[in-house]
Order: sequence, then C-alpha cells, then structure tokens
Amino acid sequence: AQSVTQLDSHVSVSEGTPVLLRCNYSSSYSPSLFWYVQHPNKGLQLLLKYTSAATLVKGINGFEAEFKKSETSFHLTKPSAHMSDAAEYFCVVSDRSYKLIFGSGTRLLVRP
Amino acid sequence: DTAVSQTPKYLVTQMGNDKSIKCEQNLGHDTMYWYKQDSKKFLKIMFSYNNKELIINETVPNRFSPKSPDKAHLNLHINSLELGDSAVYFCASSRDLGVPYEQYFGPGTRLTVT
Repeated sequence: AQSVTQLDSHVSVSEGTPVLLRCNYSSSYSPSLFWYVQHPNKGLQLLLKYTSAATLVKGINGFEAEFKKSETSFHLTKPSAHMSDAAEYFCVVSDRSYKLIFGSGTRLLVRP
Repeated sequence: DTAVSQTPKYLVTQMGNDKSIKCEQNLGHDTMYWYKQDSKKFLKIMFSYNNKELIINETVPNRFSPKSPDKAHLNLHINSLELGDSAVYFCASSRDLGVPYEQYFGPGTRLTVT
C-alpha cells in the first residue's frame, strides 16, 4: 500500500530564509507524488506534481521538489520564504486506482 | 469565476438530523470527488464519480450518500448525523480520472454536529 510521512508537523522560518518541508513515501511501484497547499479557511491548491518525468519539479510561487528514489523522499523547498507562504502543506501520493493519499500535513510559520 | 463551489460554507446541526452539502464545478470536468478533513487536518477521500458513475467508494458509513445529477454537480447527503461527522468536507474535480489530471478543490464546508 502507498503512504506518505511528513516528518515535521510544524516548521518555522524567518522571512527571506530557505524553506524545507520533508516528505518520505512508501510505494510498491513508481509513484506519482504531489504537494498541495492549504491557506487558512481555504481549499487546497496544487503546488507541483511528479509523474515519472524530470526528478526536479518546479511548481508555483517559487517552490520546487526533488524526487529521490534511493531515499524515497520528495522534499519541498523554496529559496526564500515570504509571509504569504504561511499555510498548511500536504505531501500526497497517488495509488494505482488514482486515489490521492494525503500525508498528515506540515504547518509552515513565517516570522517577520 | 469560482471553479468549484460548495454550499453551505458552514453547517451547524444537531445529532440525528439529515443534511446535504452541494457541490458544483464550472470547469467542464468529468470527475468529481468528496474528501473529509478531520480536526487534525487529516484528509481522506470518501467518494469519486466519473461521468456520473461511482468509481471510488471508501469505507464510509452508508449514512453518507453521494448523488450526481449531472457531471457538473456532486452532492453529499448525510443521514442521522453523529458527533463524529463533524469535519470539513471538500469537494474536488478533475478533467478525467487519473494521475496526470490536477484536482481542483472547493473552499470546503465546515460541518459541526452538536
């Protein structure tokens, strides 16, 4: 069965510093992986997705993630945090029946 | 223009009542979904419809019944509401069923059962 583990429930950074949100996955085959963002009281928005093409995936708002098969990781990064990045971030894996399986989420706090 | 809309945004009701949540998408998508997000922010799929046909039906109590009158709408009816049904329910849609297709989420309906 497919699963994802988000290693940090909360991450706090200062504005202008790099962001790293960690995600490890478990899959019996080559997975499709996603990062979604949820701003307070809003729906979810797709940041980026990996579907067996380039291992470094660029998304919206300056975010990117690298698929590392050897480490079963799909960490989300951004070079410089902005106040508007404060939100809940979900790492997601898709199973073969196209269901999205969500991680437990990481809350990103951005300090001024 | 709102792509995926849900009504109502908030719903407060008592145990034992029956309630419905409506979802509409104006993206021309063929596939729609219902997700439940619990108090710990954990998101799990409940149902998926493709061209009005039920595709995914997770282990959800049969008090929950989705209804898709047409491809643009997927409503969720809940009978005999229980305290544990309190959650945020998200509707989503995608162009078709499958991984390459991005899912677009609605703003959510916060259901509180007292």
